[in-house]
Parts: sequence; C-alpha cells; structure tokens
Amino acid sequence: DAKTTQPPSMDCAEGRAANLPCNHSTISGNEYVYWYRQIHSQGPQYIIHGLKNNETNEMASLIITEDRKSSTLILPHATLRDTAVYYCIVTAPYRDDKIIFGKGTRLHILP
Amino acid sequence: DTAVSQTPKYLVTQMGNDKSIKCEQNLGHDTMYWYKQDSKKFLKIMFSYNNKELIINETVPNRFSPKSPDKAHLNLHINSLELGDSAVYFCASSQDLSRDRHFGPGTRLTVT
Repeated sequence: DAKTTQPPSMDCAEGRAANLPCNHSTISGNEYVYWYRQIHSQGPQYIIHGLKNNETNEMASLIITEDRKSSTLILPHATLRDTAVYYCIVTAPYRDDKIIFGKGTRLHILP
Repeated sequence: DTAVSQTPKYLVTQMGNDKSIKCEQNLGHDTMYWYKQDSKKFLKIMFSYNNKELIINETVPNRFSPKSPDKAHLNLHINSLELGDSAVYFCASSQDLSRDRHFGPGTRLTVT
C-alpha cells in the first residue's frame, strides 16, 4: 500500500497557486519525498523531489515540514495544462521496489 | 524526439495468447523499468534492468518476462495471458536507480 495520504481532488483557479498537500507520517530518515503527475492517458511525469530542505525547480516548489511528516507541492501559476492526477511518493534511493503510486490528488484547474 | 516510446499503444487479445510490448528510450539512461497500473490506478513496479541485468523482480508471475536486447530497449513478453493481466503497462527509464524516472505513454492491454 502507498505510504502517503492525499486529498482525492482539488480545484484551483487558473493563474493562481495550486497547493497540494501530502501526509507521510511514517516516513523514514533515508526516504525522499517524490512528486509525479499523470495527465489523462499519458505516462507519469516527474515533478520534483526532496529529503528535508525545500526544493524549487522550473515546474514547482516542494515544502517539507520540519518533522518531515507532511509536504506541500506548489504550482506557482497554475494553467489548464496542469490539470492532472498528482502523486506523492516516499521512497529511499535504490529502493524502486517500494515505489507505489497511490490514488493521488486529481487537480482541476478552472478557467 | 520521444524520450521513452512504447508499442503498441493499445493491445486487445484473447486469454491464453502470448504477446509482447516493446519499449525504447533515447535518453542514454542505464536503467529501464516496467510498471503495471491497475484499474484502481495503483502503479507498481514489475521489473527493472540496469546495464542489461535484471536487478528487481517483484512478485510477478513467470508468465511475464522482460528481455533487453540492448541498453536502449526493454521489451515485455507475456505468455498465456489471463483476464487479470488487463491493465496499463508503462515503461520507464532513469540514469540510475536513484534518479527520477521518465515514463513512456503506456500500453493499454485488454484480455478478453
């Protein structure tokens, strides 16, 4: 089973920041938090990952709480093309057998 | 320009048949994977190959066998197909096991 908990769906207005939460209260010290998304009928797409520090790349920002039990993915200026299912995953490096995508959060960007 | 490609995109076949799904990546990655996404949208790893060596094999039936003719290809062969094999199968690649995965578009397999 997935080790994370995410809301099943969220809405966000186009142009606004989309904040997607994820709870991972059983995360281990060597496990990273990864975020992927899956646009309808396409393969999953990597977004970002982090260990304990906040991370930012061209797609998104990742905020990890100090106790590492939860995180938030931030899409700073959501567009209609960001409509997708977003998956939060915790896994240690080199432990691909532990990567299981759960149900994720279905993000709807509203025009 | 497709980084990870799979063929076919759709595959409909009858129980008992043998089928193959092909995967190719042009990213120069050393590791390739096969994932299965079931009807509940859970995506689980089936196999991964690193430099032509199988390094992870989940509890997948022996009817499934990955074959890698070279570093850029990892094909999935399925023998004696069963109804429960119906799913979307994704191929992926990464520089190594610790890096992010690049997924293919998926192959929707329907067994009737």
